[in-house]
Amino acid sequence: GQQVMQIPQYQHVQEGEDFTTYCNSSTTLSNIQWYKQRPGGHPVFLIQLVKSGEVKKQKRLTFQFGEAKKNSSLHITATQTTDVGTYFCARTGGGNKLTFGTGTQLKVEL
Amino acid sequence: SAVISQKPSRDICQRGTSLTIQCQVDSQVTMMFWYRQQPGQSLTLIATANQGSEATYESGFVIDKFPISRPNLTFSTLTVSNMSPEDSSIYLCSVEPGQGAYYGYTFGSGTRLTVV
Repeated sequence: GQQVMQIPQYQHVQEGEDFTTYCNSSTTLSNIQWYKQRPGGHPVFLIQLVKSGEVKKQKRLTFQFGEAKKNSSLHITATQTTDVGTYFCARTGGGNKLTFGTGTQLKVEL
Repeated sequence: SAVISQKPSRDICQRGTSLTIQCQVDSQVTMMFWYRQQPGQSLTLIATANQGSEATYESGFVIDKFPISRPNLTFSTLTVSNMSPEDSSIYLCSVEPGQGAYYGYTFGSGTRLTVV
């Protein structure tokens, strides 16, 4: 499946600052999923968005799915050192295959 | 969600040798997926393993290099054959979510392979 692009590739913030990563596809997505991979760890599922314009929140994390279902964003309010890791969006395709975006690596400084 | 036990967690191998990675799932699953994650990169799907049939490989991956076994609904192996330093990566297995509440895809803890 076509890879989904994410920007930025890297983000370095001070603790307490906000962070946003964007996921863009050239084709319409049936759904978008978000995963977090801590350094040295494996991807862990965060959320799935299905509906056009959908917004979901998990504590300090806000996930959005675009109206055209071609883009998505993850926003973290007031980052903490525990937010460090790489955030991936991912799309499901034929055969239930999961295709990952390019990822955004987040570093948080005290 | 399913729990996956993957081993080995890491290995250092000589070029030209082969390494077999195992994944054991605590429940029966139809499809298992094998990924490669090169240093600092995203995850790339190698193949999909279905029980009772040959694995389906993605473009750029071939069975001779990455043979896969799927003897039952809870177990799969991936072999990295005739290794070269370019095969140094993290290899992960994954299963799709089961029925009911949606938990997303579950991943094994990964195998960090270094080929010298």
